[in-house]
Amino acid sequence: KQEVTQIPAALSVPEGENLVLNCSFTDSAIYNLQWFRQDPGKGLTSLLLIQSSQREQTSGRLNASLDKSSGRSTLYIAASQPGDSATYLCAVRASGSRLTFGEGTQLTVNP
Amino acid sequence: GAVVSQHPSWVICKSGTSVKIECRSLDFQATTMFWYRQFPKQSLMLMATSNEGSKATYEQGVEKDKFLINHASLTLSTLTVTSAHPEDSSFYICSASNRDRGSYEQFFGPGTRLTVL
Repeated sequence: KQEVTQIPAALSVPEGENLVLNCSFTDSAIYNLQWFRQDPGKGLTSLLLIQSSQREQTSGRLNASLDKSSGRSTLYIAASQPGDSATYLCAVRASGSRLTFGEGTQLTVNP
Repeated sequence: GAVVSQHPSWVICKSGTSVKIECRSLDFQATTMFWYRQFPKQSLMLMATSNEGSKATYEQGVEKDKFLINHASLTLSTLTVTSAHPEDSSFYICSASNRDRGSYEQFFGPGTRLTVL
């Protein structure tokens, strides 16, 4: 059974800092990995999707890496802003279209 | 992009009543729809997967008679919480995907907050 773990559970940083969120998964036989953002009381916004054959994806200040063999992914956020404050969820797709989610990292960026 | 809507965005009901939540894919045909449940400060838990025109597949521990799922068309799935109780209060999120798109990417709705009094 696939298990996804995210570290840290919560993170508070001052504005402008670069930061890294971590995601690990137990079964490396995945099709892709996706990072989402969730604001309080809202749905999920997809940030980056990395296919199993890819090593990283970039979108603006966000960069996600994938090391499938070691079961790890990181989400790098450059020059963090207060508007980046949200919960970040990592999810892996192992078969079909089923996703397994991590517990999330709650990020607070202080002005 | 692919847009998924949910209705209502929030609902308050009395214990013992039934509540229906709609999930619509607005600009693509959803061959598969998923229903998730999320408790405060927790991650999403998959409740069931439904393919258009067939019965939903429920996850272990999810009562199919309590959470009725209908996926009658390629753009609409409904989740009915029957005889709701306070412990059913939660945030329900749907997602939709189209296997013909190749990537099986799921697109998520904005969620529905259910409060049972």
